[in-house]
Amino acid sequence: KAGVTQTPRYLIKTRGQQVTLSCSPISGHRSVSWYQQTPGQGLQFLFEYFSETQRNKGNFPGRFSGRQFSNSRSEMNVSTLELGDSALYLCASSPLGVVATEAFFGQGTRLTVV
Amino acid sequence: AQSVTQLDSQVPVFEEAPVELRCNYSSSVSVYLFWYVQYPNQGLQLLLKYLSGSTLVKGINGFEAEFNKSQTSFHLRKPSVHISDTAEYFCAVSRQGGSEKLVFGKGTKLTVNP
Repeated sequence: KAGVTQTPRYLIKTRGQQVTLSCSPISGHRSVSWYQQTPGQGLQFLFEYFSETQRNKGNFPGRFSGRQFSNSRSEMNVSTLELGDSALYLCASSPLGVVATEAFFGQGTRLTVV
Repeated sequence: AQSVTQLDSQVPVFEEAPVELRCNYSSSVSVYLFWYVQYPNQGLQLLLKYLSGSTLVKGINGFEAEFNKSQTSFHLRKPSVHISDTAEYFCAVSRQGGSEKLVFGKGTKLTVNP
């Protein structure tokens, strides 16, 4: 069974640009969560989607958005990039609606904003 | 709200020595508890989790953790570490009863020296 796939693995963007990151969950998993990891703030929850609906949202500005498609694949978008958005973005997928107890993480997308 | 404190940011040990990584949490409601490991440039891998039942939980790679409700702790232990255990370890909690996010500690960098 393939794991959680995040693309791209690495990304370099310029301040002010926007970026879209993709996450393909494990086959059969319907919930996708996103986390931001930085040296200063650690791992912080961004949002969670289940059956194309956002069920939970972290404390991030509106520049951070996401969506989930009918095949459970998810994308997150960051608009008007700032230097502080440089981070490892991790996606986790879970079966059914049980998010935390069965979360499987991808390898992440390393975003660098210059 | 839940919070997690990992008491040591870095733990150096020699190969074959025992190790304990400490984790304390704060929550006004019942929680699930987790330990994850992250190798360089990788995502998070679940080591073990406490959902209910026996307070001593055994995980992968010879790790175990003990849930202590009175001390609100969930320390991770391994009786004999290997060089390959060098990684960053994260303690996390989630609220019981729902599709809740994971709240992570800041992490403990374990370095195993020969």
